[in-house]
Amino acid sequence: EAGVAQSPRYKIIEKRQSVAFWCNPISGHATLYWYQQILGQGPKLLIQFQNNGVVDDSQLPKDRFSAERLKGVDSTLKIQPAKLEDSAVYLCASSSGDRGNTDTQYFGPGTRLTVL
Amino acid sequence: GNSVTQMEGPVTLSEEAFLTINCTYTATGYPSLFWYVQYPGEGLQLLLKATKADDKGSNKGFEATYRKETTSFHLEKGSVQVSDSAVYFCALSDYTGNQFYFGTGTSLTVIP
Repeated sequence: EAGVAQSPRYKIIEKRQSVAFWCNPISGHATLYWYQQILGQGPKLLIQFQNNGVVDDSQLPKDRFSAERLKGVDSTLKIQPAKLEDSAVYLCASSSGDRGNTDTQYFGPGTRLTVL
Repeated sequence: GNSVTQMEGPVTLSEEAFLTINCTYTATGYPSLFWYVQYPGEGLQLLLKATKADDKGSNKGFEATYRKETTSFHLEKGSVQVSDSAVYFCALSDYTGNQFYFGTGTSLTVIP
């Protein structure tokens, strides 16, 4: 079974530029998550989708971050414009979505973003 | 609000030593609790989980017991190996399943 795929693996941009990350979850997984992991910290949940609907985006800085999951499969996370403090690893995870708060999340390898 | 507090590292142990990594949590209702591990160069993966009070999660010789009275979920292993060197994250999923919180991670290095 293929795991969670993410691209690109690395991205370097200058501040005020835009960037987009892509995630393809495990086939059949209804729930998709985007996390931000700043160096030395634990992952912070940005947004959670159930199929193509948003379950929670309370931690997403909506003035610059946006995410979509069209057709309930793959997803994109965009930052526009980027700031220096957005430098982090962006993790995508998916879960079956049928076990409530006992679901196991499966993580992708992440995209390391550096904003100069 | 919900939160996870994890023992700070880094932790360095000799092979076959006993490991404890402390984790305490704050949550409303009955969360599920998890330990995730990140081996060098790899992505995060589930190590073990417990979904209700007094449950014990176990995997690969690691154990953790969900203690509601002390709001803790400490990770233990009786005899660590060099291959256990990794970063360990304690995490909780709140009772709705819509909020997920990670601790800051504890780096473990096991030396031969």
